[in-house]
Amino acid sequence: DADVTQTPRNRITKTGKRIMLECSQTKGHDRMYWYRQDPGLGLRLIYYSFDVKDINKGEISDGYSVSRQAQAKFSLSLESAIPNQTALYFCATSPTGDGTDTQYFGPGTRLTVL
Amino acid sequence: GESVGLHLPTLSVQEGDNSIINCAYSNSASDYFIWYKQESGKGPQFIIDIRSNMDKRQGQRVTVLLNKTVKHLSLQIAATQPGDSAVYFCAENTGRRALTFGSGTRLQVQP
Repeated sequence: DADVTQTPRNRITKTGKRIMLECSQTKGHDRMYWYRQDPGLGLRLIYYSFDVKDINKGEISDGYSVSRQAQAKFSLSLESAIPNQTALYFCATSPTGDGTDTQYFGPGTRLTVL
Repeated sequence: GESVGLHLPTLSVQEGDNSIINCAYSNSASDYFIWYKQESGKGPQFIIDIRSNMDKRQGQRVTVLLNKTVKHLSLQIAATQPGDSAVYFCAENTGRRALTFGSGTRLQVQP
């Protein structure tokens, strides 16, 4: 969905490096999410934010941190990357108050940690 | 623990046939369910949703059925086309303020 963009789309890095993945959205949604997807598996929630001052851990937050710089921007950081963080990372957004939790996903960032 | 899972990891169908993708969920408190489609190299794309006060909802060529008695969700695709080939995920709102996703079913459409 072009309304949710992620940068970079691909990244190769080495063990121990600090990495930041960025997500921007033009949908005007309050809620933003970071997921990780491993081959053959579903999406696992890393962190989510329901507004600029709200940050919540997901099921696999260890080794990751996030920053909600503005309503439209939500970045994910790996403070010291390790090989088992090699995965596809997705950002998603959802609106507040529409009675559902339909999420709209970005195109993903493929991260390889050597 | 609470989980959302799928019965079949891979489903192969002939073009023009109907497809049925199944999903089991374990949290009886879930009140909202979504089906997503993920094509290779892309992010998941919303297909259709259903609330727990409904048994059936129809979209364009897709129907979602919800059986709360056995905690089962299915996605039916009518007249399956090659462009329907993708991985399909079900997801549920567990009330923990974020969706829980199943592991996915790959749909392969044979010409």
